[in-house]
Amino acid sequence: KAGVTQTPRYLIKTRGQQVTLSCSPISGHRSVSWYQQTPGQGLQFLFEYFSETQRNKGNFPGRFSGRQFSNSRSEMNVSTLELGDSALYLCASSLVAGGETQYFGPGTRLLVL
Amino acid sequence: AQSVTQLDSHVSVSEGTPVLLRCNYSSSYSPSLFWYVQHPNKGLQLLLKYTSAATLVKGINGFEAEFKKSETSFHLTKPSAHMSDAAEYFCVVTPRGTGRRALTFGSGTRLQVQP
Repeated sequence: KAGVTQTPRYLIKTRGQQVTLSCSPISGHRSVSWYQQTPGQGLQFLFEYFSETQRNKGNFPGRFSGRQFSNSRSEMNVSTLELGDSALYLCASSLVAGGETQYFGPGTRLLVL
Repeated sequence: AQSVTQLDSHVSVSEGTPVLLRCNYSSSYSPSLFWYVQHPNKGLQLLLKYTSAATLVKGINGFEAEFKKSETSFHLTKPSAHMSDAAEYFCVVTPRGTGRRALTFGSGTRLQVQP
């Protein structure tokens, strides 16, 4: 069974731009969660989607948003990029919302200049 | 509320010697606990998990961890380190059975394996 895939793997943007990241979960998994990883803050939960609905949300500003499609694929969008948004963005899938065991993708590394 | 403390930010061992990565947790709920490993420029890979069954949990690549409720610990061990074990390791806690996405990650322990 294929694992979680994320595209693109690397991105360079400038301040003020917006960016969209994509995540395809493991086949049959209906929950997708997004995390931000930075050296200073570590791993932080952004939000979780299940059945095309946001089910849980972390403590991030409204510039961070997401959505999920009927095939469970998810996208994350960051608008008005700031330098501090430079990070590794990880996507994880699980069978159900709040499912304890999550499987992570390789991440998208975003650099904001 | 819940929290995770990984007691060592860096651990260095020689190849073939035992590995011990320490993790203490606190949780208002009965916890589920996980260890993940992250190799450079890679995502997180699940090593093992504790979800209320046996307190000694065996994972992949020879790793195991023991849930000790009285000590609120979930230390990760391996009898003999291999060069390929060099990576960053994260201890994670979540409240069990609540259906809430409430994973709390430790700050990570970087394992260095010397030849």
